[in-house]
Amino acid sequence: AQSVSQHNHHVILSEAASLELGCNYSYGGTVNLFWYVQYPGQHLQLLLKYFSGDPLVKGIKGFEAEFIKSKFSFNLRKPSVQWSDTAEYFCAVKAGNNRKLIWGLGTSLAVNP
Amino acid sequence: DTGVSQDPRHKITKRGQNVTFRCDPISEHNRLYWYRQTLGQGPEFLTYFQNEAQLEKSRLLSDRFSAERPKGSFSTLEIQRTEQGDSAMYLCASSLMAGNTEAFFGQGTRLTVV
Repeated sequence: AQSVSQHNHHVILSEAASLELGCNYSYGGTVNLFWYVQYPGQHLQLLLKYFSGDPLVKGIKGFEAEFIKSKFSFNLRKPSVQWSDTAEYFCAVKAGNNRKLIWGLGTSLAVNP
Repeated sequence: DTGVSQDPRHKITKRGQNVTFRCDPISEHNRLYWYRQTLGQGPEFLTYFQNEAQLEKSRLLSDRFSAERPKGSFSTLEIQRTEQGDSAMYLCASSLMAGNTEAFFGQGTRLTVV
């Protein structure tokens, strides 16, 4: 069965620190990859997505992610976090012709000012 | 606001009661999804519609759960004879059918069964 694992469940950083959140998936075929963010009290919002082409994708608010097919990974990065990045981050995968998203458990990020 | 809207935002019900949630997708979106999210977990897929047709249902969706999208626009999710284990956030999302597109999520309905 397809699955998504996020390596870090809770991350605490100081402002200006660099961020990398790991995401690995298990599926050997074509995938669409997503990172969603959920700010406190708000709905899930798309940060960035990968469908095809350049494996380094840039999203909103300075986030980027790199798809490494050989490692089945899609790690999220930001060079310098801000307090306003405090949120829950979810990696999700759409595998093959499936229409549903398979989600990781999420990573709770707290950025201290 | 032209995003996905869900109603109600919060629902508290007694065990054994029936509840119904509504989702209004983005108007031009053909696909509509229901997910459930509990604390500390990622969303879990429940079911999805393409227009009015319910094309896939998760094994998580017991016989007490039913979803409809009668005219291919809004959708309802009904839970009959609620149990405490049904307490969760119920999320609705919609997307276009064509091409590689992402799903847009509503704010969810938080169900508490007491």
